Amino acid sequence: EDKVVQSPLSLVVHEGDTVTLNCSYEVTNFRSLLWYKQEKKAPTFLFMLTSSGIEKKSGRLSSILDKKELFSILNITATQTGDSAVYLCAVLPSSMFYGAGSYQLTFGKGTKLSVIP
Amino acid sequence: KAGVTQTPRYLIKTRGQQVTLSCSPISGHRSVSWYQQTPGQGLQFLFEYFSETQRNKGNFPGRFSGRQFSNSRSEMNVSTLELGDSALYLCASSFRVNAEAFFGQGTRLTVV
Repeated sequence: EDKVVQSPLSLVVHEGDTVTLNCSYEVTNFRSLLWYKQEKKAPTFLFMLTSSGIEKKSGRLSSILDKKELFSILNITATQTGDSAVYLCAVLPSSMFYGAGSYQLTFGKGTKLSVIP
Repeated sequence: KAGVTQTPRYLIKTRGQQVTLSCSPISGHRSVSWYQQTPGQGLQFLFEYFSETQRNKGNFPGRFSGRQFSNSRSEMNVSTLELGDSALYLCASSFRVNAEAFFGQGTRLTVV
């Protein structure tokens, strides 16, 4: 059974701080790892990581994947109150083991980030 | 372009009733997957459809079912509702199997 573990489960920081969110995984035949931000209802897509060691960046957010050690980190620099949300990590297995082209994400429980002014 | 649209946004049902939720994917996306989100279990995969065929199903009882229409719109149905079915039901669509999935706003189902 595929498994995703995120840490910490919750985090409170002050505006301007830098945070690192962790995601470790166990998956049969890994394809990709995805990060989402969930503020109220709809998780919004942040990054999709497929190759090890290649950092993806978007503004103050960045993420990297280590396929040897089976983990990923999400960094947020110069945090703002608008970064307060639950950050979800999910793994997408290769479709070969789940039927032709099947799309199934396994999620971690998320990290709740609270940024205080 | 329009995002993933789910209707209704909120539902209150009584135990034993059934409910149907709807999801319209992003135009051009043929894969539609459904997830249940609860505070205790997080986001859990229900099932996924592609070209009107269910390709995979999560570990949920047979009371949970779904279908997909030729225009890629999908519905999920829960019969004989139980209190534990109260949750946020999220639908996601993707363009292809190795692309990111985009989520709708969800349907908040409350069973009383």
